[in-house]
Amino acid sequence: GDSVTQMEGPVTLSEEAFLTINCTYTATGYPSLFWYVQYPGEGLQLLLKATKADDKGSNKGFEATYRKETTSFHLEKGSVQVSDSAVYFCALSDRGTDKLIFGTGTRLQVFP
Amino acid sequence: DAGVIQSPRHEVTEMGQEVTLRCKPISGHNSLFWYRQTMMRGLELLIYFNNNVPIDDSGMPEDRFSAKMPNASFSTLKIQPSEPRDSAVYFCASSRLSSGGPYEQYFGPGTRLTVT
Repeated sequence: GDSVTQMEGPVTLSEEAFLTINCTYTATGYPSLFWYVQYPGEGLQLLLKATKADDKGSNKGFEATYRKETTSFHLEKGSVQVSDSAVYFCALSDRGTDKLIFGTGTRLQVFP
Repeated sequence: DAGVIQSPRHEVTEMGQEVTLRCKPISGHNSLFWYRQTMMRGLELLIYFNNNVPIDDSGMPEDRFSAKMPNASFSTLKIQPSEPRDSAVYFCASSRLSSGGPYEQYFGPGTRLTVT
């Protein structure tokens, strides 16, 4: 079945460092891909999305590009802030459904 | 829009008691999802509804768990009897399934359940 694999956390960075969180997927169809973020004590929030190959999703300085050839959707940010400390989830949905398959989440900790 | 509303935000109960969690989806959304999140198992989909009909309940752990959606604006997740291993944060999410996509899910703030 469909699945999402994320890099293990926690990822610990200093403020203004470059961030990459790896995400790869397995799907039989042509899924849409998402990154969700969960701040402490809150529910998940959509961060960005991409619907087809080579699409780039972006929001709040974060970016991810849908790479069909490598089945990847890595999350990047050029300069992280302490306020970016959260858990990040990669997810996919198959065409025609709204059921999401989530990765296990990656905790990001940013220190001043 | 008020977003997805869940109640209560925190629930502490004793083993064996019945627990009912409530969710009000975003108006106009026709799909509703119940998730459970724990440190050990991460985020698990328990059940989801489309147009008030349960579509997939394969994630419901056992018969002690039941979910209903009597109308488009309300759903409940019930645990009877509750056990300590049910302690977790339970999230409700909603989306609007229609032609096209993608179908982002909007999450509520969660209910933190502690069973002693």
